[in-house]
Amino acid sequence: DVQMTQSPSNLAASPGESVSINCKASKSISKYLAWYQQKPGKANKLLIYSGSTLQSGTPSRFSGSGSGTDFTLTIRNLEPEDFGLYYCQQHNEYPFTFGSGTKLEIK
Amino acid sequence: EVQLVESGGGLVQPGRSLKLSCAASGFTFSSFPMAWVRQAPKKGLEWVASISSGGGGTYYPDSVRGRFTISRDNAKSTLYLQMDSLRSEDTASYYCARHYPTTEEFDYWGQGVMVTVSS
Repeated sequence: DVQMTQSPSNLAASPGESVSINCKASKSISKYLAWYQQKPGKANKLLIYSGSTLQSGTPSRFSGSGSGTDFTLTIRNLEPEDFGLYYCQQHNEYPFTFGSGTKLEIK
Repeated sequence: EVQLVESGGGLVQPGRSLKLSCAASGFTFSSFPMAWVRQAPKKGLEWVASISSGGGGTYYPDSVRGRFTISRDNAKSTLYLQMDSLRSEDTASYYCARHYPTTEEFDYWGQGVMVTVSS
């Protein structure tokens, strides 16, 4: 199984700042890495798939990069609604596996 | 608008069975592979099962293979998860999710249903 190591576990930032979340796969997953946002009381939201492709409706302040084993989610000019939990997930092969999550909090 | 609404959760004793349902609307259900993903309390996400658009292909991780069965009724636009021989470690919120057909990421999710396995 592909192990996904996500860092950091927690992140505190202020609105307007930029942050990055990293995800490392235990073996190459080509470009097939997705990022999701999770907020209480709401359905999980797909932000980015295939490493860098923005899902329809994802604001352009979100960007994804990487391939092979190392990936990064960057959020520029943080908005208040961006705070929450973020997960990476490899969608290259079964069993699909997720990172352990990053909690993005307001500083 | 794509909607996925789970039902069938609740409290069940260890070793017993439970069947979850997911009613889909807002898209052509029969054209999309579907999945179940779970999240134990205060824990991360874990993929549980996937099924092809026609239902002929099913996939599971080792943690549930042989105990859980995913199925679908395309005429009713409904996805199911039959869970047998339940264990305390199966306690989680269970989410129905739609797979994008070619690249297989989960592009839409339901809000989830809670399953508690306890005596």
